[in-house]
Amino acid sequence: AQKVTQAQTEISVVEKEDVTLDCVYETRDTTYYLFWYKQPPSGELVFLIRRNSFDEQNEISGRYSWNFQKSTSSFNFTITASQVVDSAVYFCALSEAGAGSYQLTFGKGTKLSVIP
Amino acid sequence: KAGVTQTPRYLIKTRGQQVTLSCSPISGHRSVSWYQQTPGQGLQFLFEYFSETQRNKGNFPGRFSGRQFSNSRSEMNVSTLELGDSALYLCASRLGGDTGELFFGEGSRLTVL
Repeated sequence: AQKVTQAQTEISVVEKEDVTLDCVYETRDTTYYLFWYKQPPSGELVFLIRRNSFDEQNEISGRYSWNFQKSTSSFNFTITASQVVDSAVYFCALSEAGAGSYQLTFGKGTKLSVIP
Repeated sequence: KAGVTQTPRYLIKTRGQQVTLSCSPISGHRSVSWYQQTPGQGLQFLFEYFSETQRNKGNFPGRFSGRQFSNSRSEMNVSTLELGDSALYLCASRLGGDTGELFFGEGSRLTVL
């Protein structure tokens, strides 16, 4: 069975600090997808990134960067120079590929508070 | 381009009643999934529909059901409501197949009294 662990329940940082959100996953599949979503107070899950298991290249998008390491089954998310608008709950998720179905297994989420 | 639309956004029911939630996917998206979010269990997969067929179902009792219409709109129904069904129910849509980003709506917040 697949599992996603986000060990950090809550993190508080001061604006402009860098912060890394950890994600560790378990799966028996060799082909799978990893995701990060942001959930602001409005409730909507906002898609941030999807990475497939064959692509271990790190990715940077503006202030966001992701570090995918299959050797440690981790897919960590770093926000550089955090801003108050980054305050939200962040979810890491895993989907095993195949059969044309997408079933995401989510971690419990990390609540990030950026203090001005 | 309009996002995923869920109605109603908030509703209150009493134990034993039933509820129907609606989801309109992004135009052109053929796959709709439903997730339940509670403080205790987090986000859990309910089911996925593609072209009016249920593709996958999560570990929920038969009181939870859904369907998808020919225009890809989807409904989910919960019968004989229990207090533990109080949750945020999120709908997500994607183009279909084995790829594609999953876009979520703002959810329907159900409170069972």
